Amino acid sequence: GDSVTQMEGPVTLSEEAFLTINCTYTATGYPSLFWYVQYPGEGLQLLLKATKADDKGSNKGFEATYRKETTSFHLEKGSVQVSDSAVYFCALSKGNTPLVFGKGTRLSVIA
Amino acid sequence: EAQVTQNPRYLITVTGKKLTVTCSQNMNHEYMSWYRQDPGLGLRQIYYSMNVEVTDKGDVPEGYKVSRKEKRNFPLILESPSPNQTSLYFCASSANRVSYEQYFGPGTRLTVT
Repeated sequence: GDSVTQMEGPVTLSEEAFLTINCTYTATGYPSLFWYVQYPGEGLQLLLKATKADDKGSNKGFEATYRKETTSFHLEKGSVQVSDSAVYFCALSKGNTPLVFGKGTRLSVIA
Repeated sequence: EAQVTQNPRYLITVTGKKLTVTCSQNMNHEYMSWYRQDPGLGLRQIYYSMNVEVTDKGDVPEGYKVSRKEKRNFPLILESPSPNQTSLYFCASSANRVSYEQYFGPGTRLTVT
């Protein structure tokens, strides 16, 4: 079946460091790809999405590019802040199927 | 304000004592679902509902029941809770199954002793 694999956490960075969280997927057909973020004590929120190959999703300084050739959707941010500390989930959907989530990557940013 | 609400937020109970976690959304969404979140396992879908009176099993439905009598509400029922159902539960909704963006509730932390 379809699956999403994320890099293991936790990830600890200093403020203003560059962030990359790796995500690769296995799916038949042409899934849409998502990053969700879960701040402490809250539910998940959609951070960004890309619906076809080579699309770039972006929001709040975060970016991810849908790479079909490498089946990847890595999350990047050029300069992280303490407020970015959260758990990040990569997910996929083929529209007529429920979201399939990765296991999540915890990010801690220290001042 | 568009939101998904869950109650209670925290619950400690004993094995075998029936409980219900309520979920309500005010966005007129058709699609609703329940997830559980466990360390190292991420989010796993328990049940989902495409519309009123239409429900279906997700990846881990054993030990749970749901109902969808009204569009806005989607309660999760544990008829006889067991310790392995200790988890963090999230309700989510979206306009339809193909809408992609799911709106999540704040979560219910359940402990079964």
